[in-house]
Amino acid sequence: DAGVIQSPRHEVTEMGQEVTLRCKPISGHDYLFWYRQTMMRGLELLIYFNNNVPIDDSGMPEDRFSAKMPNASFSTLKIQPSEPRDSAVYFCASSISGTGSGEQYFGPGTRLTVT
Amino acid sequence: AQSVAQPEDQVNVAEGNPLTVKCTYSVSGNPYLFWYVQYPNRGLQFLLKYITGDNLVKGSYGFEAEFNKSQTSFHLKKPSALVSDSALYFCAVSRSLMVRGGKLIFGQGTELSVKP
Repeated sequence: DAGVIQSPRHEVTEMGQEVTLRCKPISGHDYLFWYRQTMMRGLELLIYFNNNVPIDDSGMPEDRFSAKMPNASFSTLKIQPSEPRDSAVYFCASSISGTGSGEQYFGPGTRLTVT
Repeated sequence: AQSVAQPEDQVNVAEGNPLTVKCTYSVSGNPYLFWYVQYPNRGLQFLLKYITGDNLVKGSYGFEAEFNKSQTSFHLKKPSALVSDSALYFCAVSRSLMVRGGKLIFGQGTELSVKP
């Protein structure tokens, strides 16, 4: 398996623009997680899905952030409008439910810079 | 509420010496504990986990961790450090395994630096 795939790997945009980050989870995994990592705040869970349904979006910082999972193999995280404080590395991770599991597999991340 | 603490921001070790990266946790009920490693410009990689059973868990790259229920700790260890072990290490805890999500709570991370 190719692992979790994220695109783009790097994104530079101007303040006010819309940004869309993409994620393809590992085939067969039924959980998908979006995280944000910054030096100041560490690793933050933004939202996660189970079987394409959002379960907990309490980590989404503002209404400017939205996430969707239209099918089992694709998810997006959108920021509209973007602000400089959104600059961070955004990770997608997936996992499979059931006992004996629990570990999450992370993608390589998208480094977002908002100028 | 669940929480994880990694009391050291940075750990410095000489190559060949044993290393320990500390982690303590707080969770109601039985904890499920994980260690992850992050190399520069990479995503987190799973190292090992404790679910139940033997308190000493062995993982990837020669790492092991010891679950201590009375001290609510799950320290990561390696008998002989390598320069290539230099990375950021995260401890994480979950209260369930994919029941109601199995959400992981991550610590702030510990930067391990191994010098030749």
